[in-house]
Amino acid sequence: QVQLQQWGAGLLKPSETLSLTCTVYGGSLSGFYWSWFRQPPGKGLEWIGEINHRGGTNYNPSLKSRVTISVDTSKSQFSLKLSSVTAADTTVYYCAREIIVARGAFDIWGQGTMVTVSS
Amino acid sequence: DIVMTQTPLSSPVTLGQPASISCRSSQSLVHSDGNTYLSWFQQRPGQPPRLLIYKIYNRVSGVPDRFSGSGAGTDFTLKISRVEAEDVGVYYCMQATQFPRTFGQGTKVEIK
Repeated sequence: QVQLQQWGAGLLKPSETLSLTCTVYGGSLSGFYWSWFRQPPGKGLEWIGEINHRGGTNYNPSLKSRVTISVDTSKSQFSLKLSSVTAADTTVYYCAREIIVARGAFDIWGQGTMVTVSS
Repeated sequence: DIVMTQTPLSSPVTLGQPASISCRSSQSLVHSDGNTYLSWFQQRPGQPPRLLIYKIYNRVSGVPDRFSGSGAGTDFTLKISRVEAEDVGVYYCMQATQFPRTFGQGTKVEIK
């Protein structure tokens, strides 16, 4: 059974870079897209961007200037970096798997990581 | 960006009664490949979203058959035929026809 385990720093200062990693257990990176989402507590979901196993990416234009998503197939991991964070980036971040042949079918999710930006 | 609008935002339902959530997109979700990439998610408090339905009406394995999806173009519906206590949560529609992927605001289903 495929599982996603995500981890990273939960407390950042303004202007620092957020860094999160998602490890895929029990499955392969190929044949899927791998996405990051975020959700302010009590609010709706925002898609941040995606990557495939070859490193091809798509980003949300609203965050594109600050976001980098990368993949390390040798470790079955993909990562999110968000630069120059502010209080507005305080939210829960999720990683998720998407079935390539069924876009929008985000069938497996990480447990979520709460990231707080505060001076 | 495609704007997704859900109604209602809150749906108090009696156990055993049906519930229906509408999702409307600001433009057609028919992709150039002919598919319509509209998904539905359920989110319980403190949990990540759970995929229920993809490509309008395809129910994920393990999702009870009381959940069904329908619609076309810009108008879509999620129906729960008989609400059970475990169905309490927030439901989101999401489009994956265009980048960026966008979600509806969410509909809170609660028991009366």
